[in-house]
Amino acid sequence: NAGVTQTPKFQVLKTGQSMTLQCAQDMNHEYMSWYRQDPGMGLRLIHYSVGAGITDQGEVPNGYNVSRSTTEDFPLRLLSAAPSQTSVYFCASNPRGANGSPLHFGNGTRLTVT
Amino acid sequence: EDQVTQSPEALRLQEGESSSLNCSYTVSGLRGLFWYRQDPGKGPEFLFTLYSAGEEKEKERLKATLTKKESFLHITAPKPEDSATYLCAAENTGFQKLVFGTGTRLLVSP
Repeated sequence: NAGVTQTPKFQVLKTGQSMTLQCAQDMNHEYMSWYRQDPGMGLRLIHYSVGAGITDQGEVPNGYNVSRSTTEDFPLRLLSAAPSQTSVYFCASNPRGANGSPLHFGNGTRLTVT
Repeated sequence: EDQVTQSPEALRLQEGESSSLNCSYTVSGLRGLFWYRQDPGKGPEFLFTLYSAGEEKEKERLKATLTKKESFLHITAPKPEDSATYLCAAENTGFQKLVFGTGTRLLVSP
């Protein structure tokens, strides 16, 4: 099993550009989520989804959009990139939400906004 | 506000030198306390879930314990391949979202 696959691994954007970070999982998990990881800070939840067609905001949603048209895919869109969005982004999934079951993480996308 | 604090920020050990990592948590009703290992350039990898005070779990040289306010990750006779960042996260019963600590960077020298 591939697990959670994220693309691209690295990306450099200029301020104001838009892009989509891709995330796919092959474990038929209902719950998927996006986190960002910054130095000196814990992983912070951006958006999450409890199933196809259902999304909700996490702790730091501003500047990001998500959609969930299939169980497998959960893309994260940056509408107009800002230097403050320079970070490492992780996608994660688990079968029943974070309800006592562990998250499975992808290997991340390292984004730099200049 | 839910909070998770890990200490120390960094720990350097000699191979075979046992030690413990600390995770203090404040959540409004603990549903689960998770430990993850993260290698450079990789995503976090699940190690343990603890659900109630007094619970212990072991895997190879690692043992996780839980009290009502803290969790400890004990590393017995570590090897260089145990070098990684160890993350702790708490899930509360209300919102089903994880709160992560900032991690402990462990370096084990041969």
